[in-house]
Amino acid sequence: DSGVTQTPKHLITATGQRVTLRCSPRSGDLSVYWYQQSLDQGLQFLIQYYNGEERAKGNILERFSAQQFPDLHSELNLSSLELGDSALYFCASSVSPGTGGDGYTFGSGTRLTVV
Amino acid sequence: GDSVTQMEGPVTLSEEAFLTINCTYTATGYPSLFWYVQYPGEGLQLLLKATKADDKGSNKGFEATYRKETTSFHLEKGSVQVSDSAVYFCALSTSGTYKYIFGTGTRLKVLA
Repeated sequence: DSGVTQTPKHLITATGQRVTLRCSPRSGDLSVYWYQQSLDQGLQFLIQYYNGEERAKGNILERFSAQQFPDLHSELNLSSLELGDSALYFCASSVSPGTGGDGYTFGSGTRLTVV
Repeated sequence: GDSVTQMEGPVTLSEEAFLTINCTYTATGYPSLFWYVQYPGEGLQLLLKATKADDKGSNKGFEATYRKETTSFHLEKGSVQVSDSAVYFCALSTSGTYKYIFGTGTRLKVLA
């Protein structure tokens, strides 16, 4: 157990629907990162939050949004889902806002299947 | 922009064979370099890291040396085990950025 908890582990939904993925960071970590892993795109950085505030944005679609709550858990909201959104979504956390030399701790991911 | 290039997989080896997975990078600054491993059904785990040129990262018998002159960070292990079967990702981050750049991953399969 890495200490980063993601729920649900699996999610199957229809096109056009909206889903929410949840992440609880490792205890003591203030920074949360969201990544999308798909077969054709590899691991893509989506967005980062630090202590409740957005810090960096990557290749995140406008249909996607995220937030980090006062208890530091984070949610990734995906709306108007398309077949191409099917992927593994990973959350990672770290103590500091930058990666520095410390590395991330990853959760085990949420597998989203859009049908 | 910054990028990481890994050798294509899958790599299939017999137990106790020597492993090398090549990784080269392009970066405008002075990056930190990482190897992550992903076992089936799990998230990525940090395997080893190096933060400056000539540093050697090591963990669980795996090693990688940060070579600035060749912009490389090749992963090696002297004797692989079946339990090493996984996908290995090379990654970089540069000071002041907030994200990793990952390579595409190399799948390793070790046969008994």
